[in-house]
Amino acid sequence: GAGVSQSPSNKVTEKGKDVELRCDPISGHTALYWYRQSLGQGLEFLIYFQGNSAPDKSGLPSDRFSAERTGGSVSTLTIQRTQQEDSAVYLCASSPPGRYPHNEQFFGPGTRLTVL
Amino acid sequence: AQKITQTQPGMFVQEKEAVTLDCTYDTSDQSYGLFWYKQPSSGEMIFLIYQGSYDEQNATEGRYSLNFQKARKSANLVISASQLGDSAMYFCAMRANFGNEKLTFGTGTRLTIIP
Repeated sequence: GAGVSQSPSNKVTEKGKDVELRCDPISGHTALYWYRQSLGQGLEFLIYFQGNSAPDKSGLPSDRFSAERTGGSVSTLTIQRTQQEDSAVYLCASSPPGRYPHNEQFFGPGTRLTVL
Repeated sequence: AQKITQTQPGMFVQEKEAVTLDCTYDTSDQSYGLFWYKQPSSGEMIFLIYQGSYDEQNATEGRYSLNFQKARKSANLVISASQLGDSAMYFCAMRANFGNEKLTFGTGTRLTIIP
């Protein structure tokens, strides 16, 4: 079946511009996560959605970052007034309900963001 | 707070040999899960293996096994009979409690298999 998809695959923007990154999770997956991977680094958690619950935003690095998830499916990560340090690969993951306690996360291919 | 430490930034291994990738972790939680992911040059994260903190047996998935030593807080990944396609970045990660919670990742180990 279809995996997690993300768009665009690459985004180049100028400092100060806003960008939107999109994630389509696997159908039926109730949990959705955003991570950021800077060059040569591990993944850094950004935000987590679970069903209709309030999202866990504890990983967002500043108030320039926000995310929403519409209809429990598609999610958009928005970065306002981008800075060069925002350059990274942004990875989205989803996980299905009921696979306790395993609950592995299925990752998309990522969006590579470059801020000039 | 949770922390994952991977002390091997890079490893070179001869094809068909076994390889052990180190992972230690730190957490105050009693219940947690440990994961290994593979990231090839294409960038996608591929789930390999899972170990629960209360699992008495070490997890195995095909050529992958997890050497779980709870008292030492280590969860090393063992790949048997390495193949050229195993060349990739490998990340150890943990999740506190059960359910759909965020993963905390280590910095990864770049494994290169030499023919």
